[in-house]
Amino acid sequence: DVKVTQSSRYLVKRTGEKVFLECVQDMDHENMFWYRQDPGLGLRLIYFSYDVKMKEKGDIPEGYSVSREKKERFSLILESASTNQTSMYLCASSTTPRTGGGSDTQYFGPGTRLTVL
Amino acid sequence: AQTVTQSQPEMSVQEAETVTLSCTYDTSESDYYLFWYKQPPSRQMILVIRQEAYKQQNATENRFSVNFQKAAKSFSLKISDSQLGDAAMYFCAYRSFQGAQKLVFGQGTRLTINP
Repeated sequence: DVKVTQSSRYLVKRTGEKVFLECVQDMDHENMFWYRQDPGLGLRLIYFSYDVKMKEKGDIPEGYSVSREKKERFSLILESASTNQTSMYLCASSTTPRTGGGSDTQYFGPGTRLTVL
Repeated sequence: AQTVTQSQPEMSVQEAETVTLSCTYDTSESDYYLFWYKQPPSRQMILVIRQEAYKQQNATENRFSVNFQKAAKSFSLKISDSQLGDAAMYFCAYRSFQGAQKLVFGQGTRLTINP
């Protein structure tokens, strides 16, 4: 089974702190994603990466950055946390199917509920 | 840009009954994928069902089936013989056929199963 793990289930930080959210997948997936989940808004894409050291902005990248130094690990960084970044953060990974088959299903981690005071 | 709308924030159904969750989307693309994801309370999001837009046949996975109406841009999820374990947030999602694999999600529908 694909396993996507996130470093913390719950995190409480203070305004202005630098925050690191870590995500690790064990299926050698090329693609990794960071989403933010808020009530009434669903999930919104922050950043994604389709290869090591590659990154692309999603729909709401402001206030965030990412790092992908190894294929299995994708980090989300809040340079200076603010109260409006209090949210649930979900990481996901997927592979790009080769010609002839394979699944590109996104597999999600359990989420990190971040509270910024 | 594509958008996905789920107009039912909450739904409830009696155990063993059938329930339909609605989803509409907006796109100018002709080829794309549509998904329903399930997020049980305090548990990880999992894929329920997937539909390729170029396939006319509606996807089915056991008790879960979709009604895909491409012209109307509608993609509803039907859950038959509802079970207590079906209680969850359900998200409809869209993905372009070409390019990056990023998903566009709807707002979600919280489904409650009444015993």
